[in-house]
Amino acid sequence: GAVVSQHPSRVICKSGTSVKIECRSLDFQATTMFWYRQFPKQSLMLMATSNEGSKATYEQGVEKDKFLINHASLTLSTLTVTSAHPEDSSFYICSARHTGTGVLWDEQYFGPGTRLTVT
Amino acid sequence: AQTVTQSQPEMSVQEAETVTLSCTYDTSESDYYLFWYKQPPSRQMILVIRQEAYKQQNATENRFSVNFQKAAKSFSLKISDSQLGDAAMYFCAYTVTQGGSEKLVFGKGTKLTVNP
Repeated sequence: GAVVSQHPSRVICKSGTSVKIECRSLDFQATTMFWYRQFPKQSLMLMATSNEGSKATYEQGVEKDKFLINHASLTLSTLTVTSAHPEDSSFYICSARHTGTGVLWDEQYFGPGTRLTVT
Repeated sequence: AQTVTQSQPEMSVQEAETVTLSCTYDTSESDYYLFWYKQPPSRQMILVIRQEAYKQQNATENRFSVNFQKAAKSFSLKISDSQLGDAAMYFCAYTVTQGGSEKLVFGKGTKLTVNP
């Protein structure tokens, strides 16, 4: 099956620093990737849609300058949390859309997530 | 409004018994997809079952089946012969098309406990 990886799985950083999270589709090409945020015991909230070779589309309320998304290739999207603060601590999950597999729906495959802790 | 409502924050079931998780949603679209995802303690999201809205027949996947009521915008998940490994958070979701892009909207989840 299609596999999506995320790196790192856990990261701790100091307040004010930036941290980059990678999302890779390992055995398929993904023109579209999605970034979600999940607070403890809560649902997944879509942050942005990342399209290869173009600017990401951010959901309402998500700060573009704080959460930088780059989808430079068909297998890699990155999320950079800039000037991180403790309130940015959360679980970040990416998913990659496997185009061309479904009849009408292109399956989304989820990464294992990254736990970010900002101290 | 794009909303998914899971009215049961927590559910429990005895091993080998059957449990039904409820989900309602709100959409003005006629064509869309509905999903149930499972998130075990590992936090990895796993697709359990998918339903195309244009299909009247309810989807089934082994011990998992859905009761899809399009007019009522209801999409419940039935787990038969529950197993200890079914214990997890279950999220109902559906697709929303916005600005030419399709995205998933999730409910708040139901935590399922399976008692031995």
